[in-house]
Amino acid sequence: AQSVTQLGSHVSVSEGALVLLRCNYSSSVPPYLFWYVQYPNQGLQLLLKYTTGATLVKGINGFEAEFKKSETSFHLTKPSAHMSDAAEYFCAVSSVSGGGADGLTFGKGTHLIIQP
Amino acid sequence: GAVVSQHPSRVICKSGTSVKIECRSLDFQATTMFWYRQFPKQSLMLMATSNEGSKATYEQGVEKDKFLINHASLTLSTLTVTSAHPEDSSFYICSARDPTGVVEQFFGPGTRLTVL
Repeated sequence: AQSVTQLGSHVSVSEGALVLLRCNYSSSVPPYLFWYVQYPNQGLQLLLKYTTGATLVKGINGFEAEFKKSETSFHLTKPSAHMSDAAEYFCAVSSVSGGGADGLTFGKGTHLIIQP
Repeated sequence: GAVVSQHPSRVICKSGTSVKIECRSLDFQATTMFWYRQFPKQSLMLMATSNEGSKATYEQGVEKDKFLINHASLTLSTLTVTSAHPEDSSFYICSARDPTGVVEQFFGPGTRLTVL
């Protein structure tokens, strides 16, 4: 069984400040980890993903995340927040079976608020 | 890039009626699609895995007779909510497994179902 915990249902930062969204996971098999962003009444947009290899993953819009196996974490960061970053962010974990990726298990989401 | 569409984007129906939601992969063939449900201000929950030409696999707690899934072609999966009730009101999102890789899924924009 897999699970994802996102600490903080709401995170508020000032424009230009560092963004840090926390994600911890549990998985009985090597995980594949994802961060998605969702704007109101829209579907999900992939920010970045970790599969294998380099543990520091760079994504779109200046976001990056680091896979730390020892801490079972995959925290999302961005050096300087922009007003357009205000949205809901979901961390997700997946495994891979014979035919490919399995369905995703999502965290509860973190609502990112950007203060002007 | 890979595009997944959903139709309709919004639907309002009366209690007791059935509603069909379509999920299409527009520029690729998808042997596997996934259906998720998202209640207001909550995370996405995997409902079922839809495999082309075979029966869907439902997650624990999801009623297969209420949420009928048909994946009759490599580009189309449908979710029918039968005898809908107000508690079925939700945001339904589908995704299609990346046919070229192993890990990624491409998400549709979602369908907002409101049952009166």
